[in-house]
Amino acid sequence: GAVVSQHPSRVICKSGTSVKIECRSLDFQATTMFWYRQFPKQSLMLMATSNEGSKATYEQGVEKDKFLINHASLTLSTLTVTSAHPEDSSFYICSARSQPGGAGVGTEAFFGQGTRLTVV
Amino acid sequence: AQTVTQSQPEMSVQEAETVTLSCTYDTSESDYYLFWYKQPPSRQMILVIRQEAYKQQNATENRFSVNFQKAAKSFSLKISDSQLGDAAMYFCASFGNEKLTFGTGTRLTIIP
Repeated sequence: GAVVSQHPSRVICKSGTSVKIECRSLDFQATTMFWYRQFPKQSLMLMATSNEGSKATYEQGVEKDKFLINHASLTLSTLTVTSAHPEDSSFYICSARSQPGGAGVGTEAFFGQGTRLTVV
Repeated sequence: AQTVTQSQPEMSVQEAETVTLSCTYDTSESDYYLFWYKQPPSRQMILVIRQEAYKQQNATENRFSVNFQKAAKSFSLKISDSQLGDAAMYFCASFGNEKLTFGTGTRLTIIP
């Protein structure tokens, strides 16, 4: 299957600082990328959907000014948590898919390894 | 809007036995896809099996198979000959209208 690389896998930051998480599709062009947040022992909650070259679409209740998403190229999307606070501590996961009919992907979304963010 | 419901928070099965994980869903989409994902302790999401809603035939991948009942909006996963490596969280998911919606998950324990 296609490979999605997410970096960093773990990050600890001080309260009030910003942290950037990168999501790269290594062997396919990701026309759409999704960002999820997962609390301990809970499901994945979709935060936002981004399409290359356009603004991200945020789910209801997600602060777009706090969680900045950029999808500047077909292989890279970034999530920046601005002015992080302890309540932002969580596991963040990205996934990517190519356009329907794209090589080997279609409607399947491939997932990065996730990033554990701890805000102290 | 889509919703996915997994009513079994935890399940356990004896090694080499068969277990079935339940999932029901609701969607207003006429064209949609259903998935089962596995999340081991590493937390990497791994696709187990997928089903196109327009296909009547149940999907099968080696020891994993689904029972897709479209009218009942049910999509259960059967794991045959359970192995220790099958221990994980299993999430049922529905894809439609460009969104992948997950259920709350079932934690599967394999008893040696």
